[in-house]
Amino acid sequence: DGGITQSPKYLFRKEGQNVTLSCEQNLNHDAMYWYRQDPGQGLRLIYYSQIVNDFQKGDIAEGYSVSREKKESFPLTVTSAQKNPTAFYLCASSRDRASPGELFFGEGSRLTVL
Amino acid sequence: GENVEQHPSTLSVQEGDSAVIKCTYSDSASNYFPWYKQELGKRPQLIIDIRSNVGEKKDQRIAVTLNKTAKHFSLHITETQPEDSAVYFCAASGGGRSGYSTLTFGKGTMLLVSP
Repeated sequence: DGGITQSPKYLFRKEGQNVTLSCEQNLNHDAMYWYRQDPGQGLRLIYYSQIVNDFQKGDIAEGYSVSREKKESFPLTVTSAQKNPTAFYLCASSRDRASPGELFFGEGSRLTVL
Repeated sequence: GENVEQHPSTLSVQEGDSAVIKCTYSDSASNYFPWYKQELGKRPQLIIDIRSNVGEKKDQRIAVTLNKTAKHFSLHITETQPEDSAVYFCAASGGGRSGYSTLTFGKGTMLLVSP
């Protein structure tokens, strides 16, 4: 069954801790993306990667880091430098490297900072 | 970079009525305009998209129109049904670094269809 798998679905973190959200895809897509979703704010791009071992900052990259060591994996680390990390995080992939085309989203990870 | 404005933020209609959601974009180089539907607690899914070389596209009860001169595009849903209730996001491509384009999303419209 092809798709994008995000884990964990729910995550609680204490202030000052780093957390890593997992994103795996078996669609053989080149491009992968991380979006943050807040109520009334739409989807805002954090980081994206068009190819293995390469990634670019999106509009709200501060306080986040990523890696792309394998084509199928694009983990996101929310660092302690992120001032307001409580949010819903969505990972996505697309087939086309040069143009987004259709984005396929995971089910999301909800992070709550206590 | 690209900026996408979406209106209205909420829209309530009676079942069977039509619904229209409008978006404007800022980057004249944008050439791809998708619409995503996100039902409560679920992931966003593409429902229709249009490219800049086309003015209108239809798929059953939904249609999208694009006015490149005015830099706006709209989603039209006819004969609305309760299952159309969801948050709808418009998006435009453009503004990516290193020659890659990315999608910039509007803030979303919550559509409520009452039986």
